[in-house]
Amino acid sequence: NAGVTQTPKFQVLKTGQSMTLQCAQDMNHEYMSWYRQDPGMGLRLIHYSVGAGITDQGEVPNGYNVSRSTTEDFPLRLLSAAPSQTSVYFCASATLPSNEQFFGPGTRLTVL
Amino acid sequence: AQSVTQLGSHVSVSEGALVLLRCNYSSSVPPYLFWYVQYPNQGLQLLLKYTTGATLVKGINGFEAEFKKSETSFHLTKPSAHMSDAAEYFCAVSGYRNDMRFGAGTRLTVKP
Repeated sequence: NAGVTQTPKFQVLKTGQSMTLQCAQDMNHEYMSWYRQDPGMGLRLIHYSVGAGITDQGEVPNGYNVSRSTTEDFPLRLLSAAPSQTSVYFCASATLPSNEQFFGPGTRLTVL
Repeated sequence: AQSVTQLGSHVSVSEGALVLLRCNYSSSVPPYLFWYVQYPNQGLQLLLKYTTGATLVKGINGFEAEFKKSETSFHLTKPSAHMSDAAEYFCAVSGYRNDMRFGAGTRLTVKP
């Protein structure tokens, strides 16, 4: 099992550009989520999904879109990047109801 | 909604000394509680979790935590610190909606 994989590992964008962060899991987990990690703020939930076709907003959803067309994939889209979105992004998956989350290795995003 | 407060952004102990990392939570429903560890430039790894049942939970690497409902606390302890324990530690809480909330993190330094 590869677990939770994320691509790319690093990305630099210019303000206003768009991009998609990819996340995939091979554990057949129902639940998937995206977090951003900023110094001194821990991890903050952006969006999450409890199954294919079902998504919901977390604490900091503005500026991000998600979709869940398959159980395995949960991409995060930045439609118009802003410097405030410079962060490390983690994807995670979990089986319900224990909600023990398994994390990917992260994507370090810089927006200039 | 759930929230977590970690007391102390930095904790420093000597090798062999007791490790105590404090976590208080707020939850409107019976909580699931977690401690994760993050080593530099890596993702998060689960140390231990409380869901139901025994309030003293044992995890990996000699760590344990006790759920105290009356104090809304879930402090992490280890009797004897090792140099390899130096990392950042995150307390997290989730409820029925399975969206997890993290504390701001505590960086543990272990002095030789």
